[in-house]
Amino acid sequence: QLQLQESGPGLVKPSETLSLTCTVSGGSISSSSYYWGWIRQPPGKGLEWIGSIYYSGSTYYNPSLKSRVTISVDTSKNQFSLKLSSVTAADTAVYYCASGEFLNAFDIWGQGTMVTVSS
Amino acid sequence: QSVLTQPPSASGTPGQRVTISCSGSSSNIGSNTVNWYQQLPGTAPKLLIYSNNQRPSGVPDRFSGSKSGTSASLAISGLQSEDEADYYCAAWDDSLNVRGVVFGGGTKLTVL
Repeated sequence: QLQLQESGPGLVKPSETLSLTCTVSGGSISSSSYYWGWIRQPPGKGLEWIGSIYYSGSTYYNPSLKSRVTISVDTSKNQFSLKLSSVTAADTAVYYCASGEFLNAFDIWGQGTMVTVSS
Repeated sequence: QSVLTQPPSASGTPGQRVTISCSGSSSNIGSNTVNWYQQLPGTAPKLLIYSNNQRPSGVPDRFSGSKSGTSASLAISGLQSEDEADYYCAAWDDSLNVRGVVFGGGTKLTVL
């Protein structure tokens, strides 16, 4: 049974880069034909897809965030990561990592990690 | 403003049947499958329905999904107090400026 766990700083300064890692346990990130994605949820608001990466390395990004987002996989550590550059207060949210066999269906989720953008 | 439109709230009494709608367009619901997520207070979302009407293992058959044209619906029968949660629809959108996974704004279900 795959399990996901987000990790990273809970506070990021404006204009800096937000970096989060999702550790996969219960299976190999490279041997599963899964999509690995990031979704965020601002306080009191709805869900926003940030982007996904296929186990083969193909990436898919939200067009509204594409210029600032990089998602990558580290097979040696069984992790995938998110980098979001030039953050502002609008990027304050709970960030979830998730996975699934289909690009738009996430059936396994991490517990989420709150990231606040503030000086 | 979300690409997919859901009513902000819905309610029902225990045992009732409740439906939540999700309206989109030809570039998302009209040409791709719809998924539904349940988010209990303070927890991560959970996949409730995928590919319009399929239930992942462990999801009670009280939950069902359907799609017609550019709209989709989630139905919950035999409503229970533990169904009180936020519900989100999602789909892939093929339009050039939105290409990606789009979510509805969410519907807060209250069990009276």
